[in-house]
Order: sequence, then C-alpha cells, then structure tokens
Amino acid sequence: QSALTQPPSVSGSPGQSVTISCTGTSSDVGSYNRVSWYQQPPGTAPKLMIYEVSNRPSGVPDRFSGSKSGNTASLTISGLQAEDEADYYCSLYTSSNTYVFGTGTKVTVL
Amino acid sequence: QVQLQESGPGLVKPSETLSLTCTVSGGSITYYWSWIRQSPGKGLEWIGQIYNSGSTIYNPSLRSRVTISGDTSKNQLSLKLSSVTAADTAVYYCVRHSGVYYFGMDVWGQGTTVTVSS
Repeated sequence: QSALTQPPSVSGSPGQSVTISCTGTSSDVGSYNRVSWYQQPPGTAPKLMIYEVSNRPSGVPDRFSGSKSGNTASLTISGLQAEDEADYYCSLYTSSNTYVFGTGTKVTVL
Repeated sequence: QVQLQESGPGLVKPSETLSLTCTVSGGSITYYWSWIRQSPGKGLEWIGQIYNSGSTIYNPSLRSRVTISGDTSKNQLSLKLSSVTAADTAVYYCVRHSGVYYFGMDVWGQGTTVTVSS
C-alpha cells in the first residue's frame, strides 16, 4: 500500500478557505469511508481533526470539514486563522486492516 | 484522561534492536494501540497495532523486523525493531485508536526521538 498523495503545500490569507486533497485509488479511498485527518503544528504530536471522511471529534472547530469524491478525500479549512498553520495528514484504514498515511501538506497562513 | 508516555534509548547502534516502552496512564491497555514514526522532515509512517492486549498487525514493509507487545500488569506497551539502520532514525509515537471516532487515533504520546548511529 503506497502512501496517499497530498499536495506538498497550500496557502491562504486569514479568513480565506483552503482545501487539501488526499488521493488514493478505487480500491482504497474510493471504496471506504475510513479516512481521517490530522493536524500537526511544528514540534508537536498530530491531533485528530476529522474521522470517517467528514465527522469532527468533540472540540474541533466547525471551520474544519471533510468530504470525499471518487478516489479523493478533502479537508477544507474555512475562515483560515493564523493558528491553523501546520502540517496536515490524511490517513486511511485499508482493506488489509493496516493504516497508511498521506504524504502530508504544509498549510501556510499568509 | 488517558495519557501516553514513550521512553527508551535515544541512541541505538546500527544492526542493533531498538526497544521503546509506552506507559499508559488514566486508562487500560485492553484497547487498540499503534506505534507510528516520523523521520526527520518527513511524513508519518504507521508501524503496527496491538489490540485485545496481544493480537498484532504490522506494516508489511516492517513486518520482518517489528514486534509489538503489551504488559497489562504494568499498563505498558512495547516496540522492538531489529536490525536498525540510519533509515530508522525518527520520532516514535505511541497512539490510541478511538473507540468513538472510528478509524481515528485520538490520543498521542509526545513522541520520543531515536537516532541510529555508531
């Protein structure tokens, strides 16, 4: 299972929206809603932001939303804030009962 | 509230075995847990999972070198990675799989840095 493909970086001004894609195949992302998203500010451990494609854990701002179309899952940050600057990773629970992460995306707030 | 603390040698020689411990406080290890690592400047890599205190599943790319186990009496998890090389230099995280947020990992340790060098 290869790593899921994410863009290396995205950027936006405060208040704007940015979307991060996570592309797999019809056999993984396209077949299951087992995609999670994690936020990792510099020097810290990752934090769960989205699970099962579009669900937010308690305490995660509703500015963060997830979706999926075909073989691509997406994380959208609306109303971008300075504190959102971090690396973001998608994760998939595969049909082999293993986990695979995306390549990671650095979000920069301009 | 569950807290995880990784511990172990920060420096391991090439070809030796890396051994790490994760101490779980505020909860039981009879759950689903994973070890995840992050090489310097790189992304996250799932190493393997232990559940029901003893069943395991590993990343196919590391399977031949990895052993994950649990000690319920000490509420600890352990990771052993044999025949290490410089490519195994990374921050190693112990994480809990959520029982509520399906397929999500909701509690992470702070991570421990392991350098492989002679």
